[in-house]
Amino acid sequence: GNSVTQMEGPVTLSEEAFLTINCTYTATGYPSLFWYVQYPGEGLQLLLKATKADDKGSNKGFEATYRKETTSFHLEKGSVQVSDSAVYFCALPGGDSGGSNYKLTFGKGTLLTVNP
Amino acid sequence: SQTIHQWPATLVQPVGSPLSLECTVEGTSNPNLYWYRQAAGRGLQLLFYSVGIGQISSEVPQNLSASRPQDRQFILSSKKLLLSDSGFYLCAWSVGEETQYFGPGTRLLVL
Repeated sequence: GNSVTQMEGPVTLSEEAFLTINCTYTATGYPSLFWYVQYPGEGLQLLLKATKADDKGSNKGFEATYRKETTSFHLEKGSVQVSDSAVYFCALPGGDSGGSNYKLTFGKGTLLTVNP
Repeated sequence: SQTIHQWPATLVQPVGSPLSLECTVEGTSNPNLYWYRQAAGRGLQLLFYSVGIGQISSEVPQNLSASRPQDRQFILSSKKLLLSDSGFYLCAWSVGEETQYFGPGTRLLVL
């Protein structure tokens, strides 16, 4: 089945610091990979995605590259802002016991706090 | 563009009372629809998904049920709430199997 392991944190940074949140996956084949962000009290928002190996997803200054050789999809941002404080989830289709790709399997989430 | 609505936004219910949470999607036809629960500690658990009217798949056995009476309406219900049903309930939609888009959520507190 498919699974994802995500750095749990919490991560605390100062404004303008460099961010990396690690995500590695186990999957059958080469599924699409996603990063979602959840701001306090809100639902999840799709941050970026990559659909095949070596693809780079990017949005709002965040980037992640689909690395099949290391089965990783690490999230990076060169200079974080206070407004980036949120919980970040790595995800891929499929479940840990196989079955339908209708299910998204999520990492446990990484809480990022950015201080001014 | 597509939008997804959930209501109510917040709900406080006594143990043993019934529950009905509603989710509607606008701007798309025949979406796949999903209910997730997010308990304290942030993990997301898929409860139900639906690929069409009247078609419901359950991921986790529990005292909750789901229904899809219309193409873009998804309802989460319970006949008798338990304390353990407290959490943040998220509805999502997708076209096909991949990218899912989430609603604003309903925060449920069972006392």
